[in-house]
Amino acid sequence: AQKVTQAQTEISVVEKEDVTLDCVYETRDTTYYLFWYKQPPSGELVFLIRRNSFDEQNEISGRYSWNFQKSTSSFNFTITASQVVDSAVYFCALSRGETSGSRLTFGEGTQLTVNP
Amino acid sequence: KAGVTQTPRYLIKTRGQQVTLSCSPISGHRSVSWYQQTPGQGLQFLFEYFSETQRNKGNFPGRFSGRQFSNSRSEMNVSTLELGDSALYLCASSLANSKEQFFGPGTRLTVL
Repeated sequence: AQKVTQAQTEISVVEKEDVTLDCVYETRDTTYYLFWYKQPPSGELVFLIRRNSFDEQNEISGRYSWNFQKSTSSFNFTITASQVVDSAVYFCALSRGETSGSRLTFGEGTQLTVNP
Repeated sequence: KAGVTQTPRYLIKTRGQQVTLSCSPISGHRSVSWYQQTPGQGLQFLFEYFSETQRNKGNFPGRFSGRQFSNSRSEMNVSTLELGDSALYLCASSLANSKEQFFGPGTRLTVL
């Protein structure tokens, strides 16, 4: 069975602070994919990143960066110099390997509030 | 390119009724998945359709069903509605054999 755990239910920071959202996953698959999605108040899930299990390179995209560590089954997400527009619920998700369709197993989500 | 569209956006029903939700995927996307989001259970997978065939199914009762048409549009149906079916229902589409899913704005269903 697959499982994703986001231990931080809510995080509140002041604008310009750096913030890291934690994600720990469980899977028996050797091939799998990890994702982060952002859900603003409007409700639509916005895709942020996909990482496959064979690629442990960290990735940076503007103020966003992701740290994937298979040894600790973690896929953490850092926002540098946070902004009010970053306020949203962030979901980490896991998908099985090549032949298993697109089904996503989501974590519980982390509500991030960035205060001015 | 237009994103995933879902209709209606809001819906109010009473217990015992049935409801049909519609999803139009991004042009060229042949896979459509449905998810239910509630405060208590979070985001849960309902089912996935690809080329008009159900490819995956989540752990939901038979009251929840879906289908996909030849143009990749999908519908999901919930019969004999219960209060606990109140949720945001999200549809996502993806290219064939792609793991990246793109979500629509959702349909917020309220069951009274």
